[in-house]
Amino acid sequence: DAGVIQSPRHEVTEMGQEVTLRCKPISGHNSLFWYRQTMMRGLELLIYFNNNVPIDDSGMPEDRFSAKMPNASFSTLKIQPSEPRDSAVYFCASSSGQGANFPYEQYFGPGTRLTVT
Amino acid sequence: GQNIDQPTEMTATEGAIVQINCTYQTSGFNGLFWYQQHAGEAPTFLSYNVLDGLEEKGRFSSFLSRSKGYSYLLLNELQMKDSASYLCAVQRTYKYIFGTGTRLKVLA
Repeated sequence: DAGVIQSPRHEVTEMGQEVTLRCKPISGHNSLFWYRQTMMRGLELLIYFNNNVPIDDSGMPEDRFSAKMPNASFSTLKIQPSEPRDSAVYFCASSSGQGANFPYEQYFGPGTRLTVT
Repeated sequence: GQNIDQPTEMTATEGAIVQINCTYQTSGFNGLFWYQQHAGEAPTFLSYNVLDGLEEKGRFSSFLSRSKGYSYLLLNELQMKDSASYLCAVQRTYKYIFGTGTRLKVLA
């Protein structure tokens, strides 16, 4: 299995530009998560999809952030317009959780290191 | 509350044993997870506890006391490759809430 795939691995952009991060979850996994990691705040959940439907987007910082999952094998996280404070590593993770009350392991992609200047 | 507390940094010597503690305040959870994250890489799953007690997995063991809101990860026979961050996470329904991680440095 190829694992969770993310692209690009690194992105450097100027403030005000649109940024799109991409994720391909592990085949057969029904749950997908987008996280942001910074030194100060650690790993923060941005949004959670189950069976391609957004279930919880309470972690999305503001309207500049949006995420979609048009099918079971692809998701995007978009920031428009980007700001320097968005600089972080963005991880996508997937799992085959059997339900909200069962423990499950999450598999993380390699991450996208975003730098906004 | 959902605060998860871990020490920020620890240092230990190759071949030694180290215990990384994690305390949490949460009204309910499905499990307590430990992830390892090497610098510049993704977190990878190490272990999880659902019930009280010790779970052993090779050189690593994890302990949970739900009544005390306390867990620890025990690393035996430390190796240089164990230098990494160790993240404690509480699963609540579908959500993981992560601590900020403990950066472990293993010295020769």
